[in-house]
Amino acid sequence: TQLLEQSPQFLSIQEGENLTVYCNSSSVFSSLQWYRQEPGEGPVLLVTVVTGGEVKKLKRLTFQFGDARKDSSLHITAAQPGDTGLYLCAGLTGRRALTFGSGTRLQVQP
Amino acid sequence: DTGVSQDPRHKITKRGQNVTFRCDPISEHNRLYWYRQTLGQGPEFLTYFQNEAQLEKSRLLSDRFSAERPKGSFSTLEIQRTEQGDSAMYLCASSLVTGDYEQYFGPGTRLTVT
Repeated sequence: TQLLEQSPQFLSIQEGENLTVYCNSSSVFSSLQWYRQEPGEGPVLLVTVVTGGEVKKLKRLTFQFGDARKDSSLHITAAQPGDTGLYLCAGLTGRRALTFGSGTRLQVQP
Repeated sequence: DTGVSQDPRHKITKRGQNVTFRCDPISEHNRLYWYRQTLGQGPEFLTYFQNEAQLEKSRLLSDRFSAERPKGSFSTLEIQRTEQGDSAMYLCASSLVTGDYEQYFGPGTRLTVT
């Protein structure tokens, strides 16, 4: 069974602070996707990382895929209240369906 | 393109009743996935289709669950004899079968079994 562990599970910070969310597994993934989910809505795709060591930036969000393609991180610079939500990582093995982590719930206080 | 749509958004049913959900994927996407998400957890894979063929089913998909995609476009997920443990958000996603297989999710159907 492939498992993705996310940490921390909950994070409450003040506006303007930086934060990092981690996604770890003992399995190798062909790609890893990060999503953000609002209450009562479906996950929204933020980014896909494919190559080991890859770094992608999306405005204040920086995503990194581990060299061995087993782990990933999401770093948010100068967090804003609009960043509040559930952040999910999901790994893809071969051509199968996604395996999701349990998520990191982020609350950014103004 | 309006993205993935799901209907209904919310469903309340009594234990023992049957329910059916519909998913309309992004039009050019040939893969369609069903996931289930319970409170405080990430989505769990249920099943997926490539065109009209159901290629994989999770062991989470008990005999009371059935999914179809008859013409390779929209899909339905039926739950027979619902149980309280079936209460969850049912999510549909679609993707191409090329590139990075990026999956795009619909808004989900929230099922409450009373």
